[in-house]
Amino acid sequence: DSGVTQTPKHLITATGQRVTLRCSPRSGDLSVYWYQQSLDQGLQFLIQYYNGEERAKGNILERFSAQQFPDLHSELNLSSLELGDSALYFCASSVVQMNTEAFFGQGTRLTVV
Amino acid sequence: GESVGLHLPTLSVQEGDNSIINCAYSNSASDYFIWYKQESGKGPQFIIDIRSNMDKRQGQRVTVLLNKTVKHLSLQIAATQPGDSAVYFCAENIGYGGSQGNLIFGKGTKLSVKP
Repeated sequence: DSGVTQTPKHLITATGQRVTLRCSPRSGDLSVYWYQQSLDQGLQFLIQYYNGEERAKGNILERFSAQQFPDLHSELNLSSLELGDSALYFCASSVVQMNTEAFFGQGTRLTVV
Repeated sequence: GESVGLHLPTLSVQEGDNSIINCAYSNSASDYFIWYKQESGKGPQFIIDIRSNMDKRQGQRVTVLLNKTVKHLSLQIAATQPGDSAVYFCAENIGYGGSQGNLIFGKGTKLSVKP
């Protein structure tokens, strides 16, 4: 158990819908990262927050957004969902914001039908 | 379990043998590297890391080698066990500009251990 908690574990929704994925980082970790893992793209970095502020952006679509709350949990919002958004979404956390290991949650499996 | 990739390079080894998994990283400015292990249905799990001021680091049964000249990273697993079967990813931290802090992952290598 990495200490990073993601909910829900599985999510099935229809195209055009909006979903929210939730992540609770390890106790004491200030940095949260979101990754998307699909069969053809591998693990793709989406976005990073550190202590409530956005720090880095990767290949995140405009339909996706995220935030980190004062209690350090984070949410990833996916809207206007398309079939191609079906993937595993991982959250990871680390104590500091760079050059350190990140601990991954178990992921949320999103299926868009 | 679910597959994390349909076209991953695969390394098949006999239980007890040593395994070597290779990775070519992309950015000469990367200053921190990690190897992760991902078992089916689970998130990536940290194995070992190395900073760019080192060329070798050892852990329990694992060794990471870094060759900055050719931008190459390798993971050596000694006395491979069935529990080592998983997909292994190398990741690099590009520590400059707006990308500070995030990890860029390689495509992964599937390790299969035969009993």
